[in-house]
Amino acid sequence: GEDVEQSLFLSVREGDSSVINCTYTDSSSTYLYWYKQEPGAGLQLLTYIFSNMDMKQDQRHTVLLNKKDKHLSLRIADTQTGDSAIYFCAEKGIHDMRFGAGTRLTVKP
Amino acid sequence: DTAVSQTPKYLVTQMGNDKSIKCEQNLGHDTMYWYKQDSKKFLKIMFSYNNKELIINETVPNRFSPKSPDKAHLNLHINSLELGDSAVYFCASSQDVNTEAFFGQGTRLTVV
Repeated sequence: GEDVEQSLFLSVREGDSSVINCTYTDSSSTYLYWYKQEPGAGLQLLTYIFSNMDMKQDQRHTVLLNKKDKHLSLRIADTQTGDSAIYFCAEKGIHDMRFGAGTRLTVKP
Repeated sequence: DTAVSQTPKYLVTQMGNDKSIKCEQNLGHDTMYWYKQDSKKFLKIMFSYNNKELIINETVPNRFSPKSPDKAHLNLHINSLELGDSAVYFCASSQDVNTEAFFGQGTRLTVV
């Protein structure tokens, strides 16, 4: 496809794991990113993965990359209410970044 | 200190007016961007500058004109504002075209 695709909504209970999935477009993208946007705020870089890696773990965040399927996922362990936000998957093109539409994560107590 | 700062944070204006949004980065980055986020939260690149030179100009109406007086600044000027210009505009910067981007807080533009 031509767009970076993500599911739009995800709802989990506090303490559960969250998995946000993304399909990107360009197999030659060197970096793939996850950004977090809290209500009324800017985009905060959460984590990123270099294209020659399969997995990256950073505290509660685990990124998995399947280059064959152009699939990227973000797993948040022990999800907290403070994790409620919109999560954007992004790929780095030659001169720009392409973003998915964002997944709105809602964490219920 | 804020790494990428935009002003103003909110901007409400009437149709037909001309307005500017300013962006400054203190990270020493070579590349700066403007993105538009519409009401559905889609983020689309508008412009990209590398070392003060325009390298991307997506299909944006020519009412939008970026100005980069130096590497640390990329301002967005919009002429003859239309209702459809209402959105959140994000400025961003990166060390170069191959590294991650850092974003400003966004400017919510409302055209009435």
